[in-house]
Amino acid sequence: NAGVMQNPRHLVRRRGQEARLRCSPMKGHSHVYWYRQLPEEGLKFMVYLQKENIIDESGMPKERFSAEFPKEGPSILRIQQVVRGDSAAYFCASSFALNTEAFFGQGTRLTVV
Amino acid sequence: KNEVEQSPQNLTAQEGEFITINCSYSVGISALHWLQQHPGGGIVSLFMLSSGKKKHGRLIATINIQEKHSSLHITASHPRDSAVYICAVRRAPETSGSRLTFGEGTQLTVNP
Repeated sequence: NAGVMQNPRHLVRRRGQEARLRCSPMKGHSHVYWYRQLPEEGLKFMVYLQKENIIDESGMPKERFSAEFPKEGPSILRIQQVVRGDSAAYFCASSFALNTEAFFGQGTRLTVV
Repeated sequence: KNEVEQSPQNLTAQEGEFITINCSYSVGISALHWLQQHPGGGIVSLFMLSSGKKKHGRLIATINIQEKHSSLHITASHPRDSAVYICAVRRAPETSGSRLTFGEGTQLTVNP
């Protein structure tokens, strides 16, 4: 039973490009959470999704960021027109049900040059 | 003021020492997590607690719900324990899902 899989592990984008980060939850998990860790800062919640639905996006920046978790396939965090300040580690976690333990992926380290 | 506060921010120890990392929180919670993060690495869940005490190998985690405080202890520390240890809480009411609020982390360095 594979853990939470994130890809790519490292992503380099030029300013203005789009970044797509993928997260495949653990088998049987239908709840996905995205967190961001800016350099020298702690982890911050971004968005919580349950298959095909965004449940809580209160931590998402208002512009350029979007997330989806389709019926089939991984969850995608999409950042349009990236800027240097988007450089961070983005972590995905998944859980089986509401309020069960969440398991983390290895993260995607985004560098905007 | 952060909802989750950890202390100390940085901790250096000699191999074999007993280590304690503290976490205080100011919100109602349904569970508390201790996480470990190695440099450039992923996040590993060490414990999830809602009451009492849990032990896994050389690691012990305790929580006092009334005092809103948790501690992570490492016995017989080893250089491979060097990592950032993060306290995270799952808020109550439980309708907030498994969304976590994190402390800033404690950087632990264990010297041989």
